[in-house]
Amino acid sequence: DTEVTQTPKHLVMGMTNKKSLKCEQHMGHRAMYWYKQKAKKPPELMFVYSYEKLSINESVPSRFSPECPNSSLLNLHLHALQPEDSALYLCASSQGHGISRNTEAFFGQGTRLTVV
Amino acid sequence: QKEVEQDPGPLSVPEGAIVSLNCTYSNSAFQYFMWYRQYSRKGPELLMYTYSSGNKEDGRFTAQVDKSSKYISLFIRDSQPSDSATYLCAMSVGNAGNNRKLIWGLGTSLAVNP
Repeated sequence: DTEVTQTPKHLVMGMTNKKSLKCEQHMGHRAMYWYKQKAKKPPELMFVYSYEKLSINESVPSRFSPECPNSSLLNLHLHALQPEDSALYLCASSQGHGISRNTEAFFGQGTRLTVV
Repeated sequence: QKEVEQDPGPLSVPEGAIVSLNCTYSNSAFQYFMWYRQYSRKGPELLMYTYSSGNKEDGRFTAQVDKSSKYISLFIRDSQPSDSATYLCAMSVGNAGNNRKLIWGLGTSLAVNP
């Protein structure tokens, strides 16, 4: 299994809603990432978890709250989002060891989020 | 000046052509260089990974890094319509902590016409 699975694929939410994005991998990777991607732009790093601990937070607003319940799962909890937060949210994972393995090798298909 | 510059295209070529995609960068500390392919409405897929300078070949794909010129390239031989996608370069200073953060190019949109 060489996949990163993200659910849901599409999400429409109001500005007062609370929702969660989920990401799962069963490759034994110990580093997992959340990225945000706007149309015709490269991915922007949001959070990095290494060995289930938050290691990087790229000054993301608190309306985005990550959670790593175990080494295979990564969640992104959303609350009080703004329309400008509409984007493709990508999860990625990497083995997290050594030089050549420490790269975001596997991305999920993403969750396309629309905030109305 | 952006740290990583990449012409967004679009680039349109006939099937079978050799495609050359390029990125330039300004930070001489970059050591890890990646090329990702992203199909429309999908997540990026790691194509090639190179550490430091030199060439790397994988099937129809060749990645080149010229650190003296701060220039990286991806060549696609015998291009196919299935190669139509956006190609993003990315690079990092290191592989630990904040040094592992990927700095991305804008991506080049490629269309291979049958």
